Amino acid sequence: EPEVTQTPSHQVTQMGQEVILRCVPISNHLYFYWYRQILGQKVEFLVSFYNNEISEKSEIFDDQFSVERPDGSNFTLKIRSTKLEDSAMYFCASRARLQETQYFGPGTRLLVL
Amino acid sequence: KQEVTQIPAALSVPEGENLVLNCSFTDSAIYNLQWFRQDPGKGLTSLLLIQSSQREQTSGRLNASLDKSSGRSTLYIAASQPGDSATYLCAVSNDYKLSFGAGTTVTVRA
Repeated sequence: EPEVTQTPSHQVTQMGQEVILRCVPISNHLYFYWYRQILGQKVEFLVSFYNNEISEKSEIFDDQFSVERPDGSNFTLKIRSTKLEDSAMYFCASRARLQETQYFGPGTRLLVL
Repeated sequence: KQEVTQIPAALSVPEGENLVLNCSFTDSAIYNLQWFRQDPGKGLTSLLLIQSSQREQTSGRLNASLDKSSGRSTLYIAASQPGDSATYLCAVSNDYKLSFGAGTTVTVRA
């Protein structure tokens, strides 16, 4: 069964460093999302992406964050200058056109020291 | 802003008992409601999706109901098994952006 994959599974970085989290959505899906879950808290929406542009973003998704679909398969989330409070599990999700279910990847656990 | 609440926060039952998990949301203008399972340190597995026009959705031992006007959904898991132990998350979709509840952590005792 097709699934969303994410790399790396874990990333440790120093505060102020840039990180890029990678996702490979399900191949025929056209809508892509990033969510995050800070330890012990709810899963929160960050951004949605369709047709090579951002559809919607949350208040969390400030100028330090960017998303890109650099080729036909990858979908990336970049955090330009990481802060301690960016430590969280980051989930990528994708959805097919004319379907409503969002399928989530296994997540990338980011730890900012 | 959509607020999603799940009660109870945790539940422990003996094997074989039926589980009832509740979810409530404040904004009834939703596209759909999705139930997920999350195992510790893992991703989210979609269990069921109920469209806003539907009242109920079933998959195997799982049955989810939706009362959009009162802002409530209930997930029933019949004849629970130890393998059902996990956190169950409810998420509602407004314009396909999901708003999640904090989850109900279920422990099924053998």
